[in-house]
Amino acid sequence: QKEVEQNSGPLSVPEGAIASLNCTYSDRVSQSFFWYRQYSGKSPELIMSIYSNGDKEDGRFTAQLNKASQYVSLLIRDSQPSDSATYLCAVPTSGTYKYIFGTGTRLKVLA
Amino acid sequence: GAVVSQHPSWVICKSGTSVKIECRSLDFQATTMFWYRQFPKQSLMLMATSNEGSKATYEQGVEKDKFLINHASLTLSTLTVTSAHPEDSSFYICSARDFAYEQYFGPGTRLTVT
Repeated sequence: QKEVEQNSGPLSVPEGAIASLNCTYSDRVSQSFFWYRQYSGKSPELIMSIYSNGDKEDGRFTAQLNKASQYVSLLIRDSQPSDSATYLCAVPTSGTYKYIFGTGTRLKVLA
Repeated sequence: GAVVSQHPSWVICKSGTSVKIECRSLDFQATTMFWYRQFPKQSLMLMATSNEGSKATYEQGVEKDKFLINHASLTLSTLTVTSAHPEDSSFYICSARDFAYEQYFGPGTRLTVT
């Protein structure tokens, strides 16, 4: 069974700090990785996708991928209370377009 | 771009009745649509995958006769919950993908069965 693992949290950071969210995956052939943000009672929203090793930056968000270590992370700079949400890591299963989701990390940004 | 809509956003129905939920990709053609269910404080659970013009593929444990999925066009998929019961009350969310791996989620439909 292929797996995607995340620390469920909650991860609490003060406003303005960097929040670091981590995800590990078991399928070595995975090629694409996605981060979604889900506010309570709402549906997930795609915030980052990453396909290549290294860093990908988009505004305050940076995704980092290390395929050798089977590790993908999301950094949120200058965290704001509005960033408080659950962050889901998603990895497509090999040969299909179905996602395996991590359980999500709940982030709390303290004002 | 990449907007997915769902209708209705919430619905209350009586036990034993059927409810249809629509999922539309508004600005792209969705080669595949997915239907998820989410109970409070739990993870998303994939129910089924549907491709335009094909029968849906259901995940293990999901009753295909109870959750009817129709993917009539590249922009529309429907989920019908037949003979709904209170235990079917949940948050139903669809997602759609175009030709890449990204899935774009609809806003969800909250179903309450009384």
